[in-house]
Amino acid sequence: EADIYQTPRYLVIGTGKKITLECSQTMGHDKMYWYQQDPGMELHLIHYSYGVNSTEKGDLSSESTVSRIRTEHFPLTLESARPSHTSQYLCASSEYGAGGRNNEQFFGPGTRLTVL
Amino acid sequence: AQKVTQAQTEISVVEKEDVTLDCVYETRDTTYYLFWYKQPPSGELVFLIRRNSFDEQNEISGRYSWNFQKSTSSFNFTITASQVVDSAVYFCALSEAGTGANNLFFGTGTRLTVIP
Repeated sequence: EADIYQTPRYLVIGTGKKITLECSQTMGHDKMYWYQQDPGMELHLIHYSYGVNSTEKGDLSSESTVSRIRTEHFPLTLESARPSHTSQYLCASSEYGAGGRNNEQFFGPGTRLTVL
Repeated sequence: AQKVTQAQTEISVVEKEDVTLDCVYETRDTTYYLFWYKQPPSGELVFLIRRNSFDEQNEISGRYSWNFQKSTSSFNFTITASQVVDSAVYFCALSEAGTGANNLFFGTGTRLTVIP
């Protein structure tokens, strides 16, 4: 059972508001990720982190930002939400594999964001 | 460039039927990893299996089985005696060892509906 948490699970907010989506994991994983998923669509990586003080942009350009001050915490922030940001946001983590092995990622329950 | 194709967008089967979900991948790396995830209606992604490119041995786990064929670049997933609880979107994903970031590239998913 993976121990990765996301809050809130659902968020409806007006245009222009600043929001932060929280993600925490208790597994001590170094690597963490944020994905964006539109309904019925594939997942796209928007941010990832190798560890504390590391943040990288993913394959899909996003106006959001992330921070990694603590190993267990990887919040995502939108400074000014817009309707185009409406989507599901999934957080994931993985441990670094010995010998470069790519380990499976464990996912949180997701945050469904609606911007009106 | 890496790519994962899940040609079946939606599949419906009657309970107790067997069903195979197809996954075809493309990569130039000689070392890579393949994954299957299940996304039930609740939204979270549940890890099912990881396979590395050097291990073509097929795997069976209960009613689930996976067939990895490097010759055809396929990693198909079969559910035997399907149950209503198997209804979900299933994603195949690829990770290349050379990326270092352990990033997953997802297919577009196959929505499986098991009819009672």
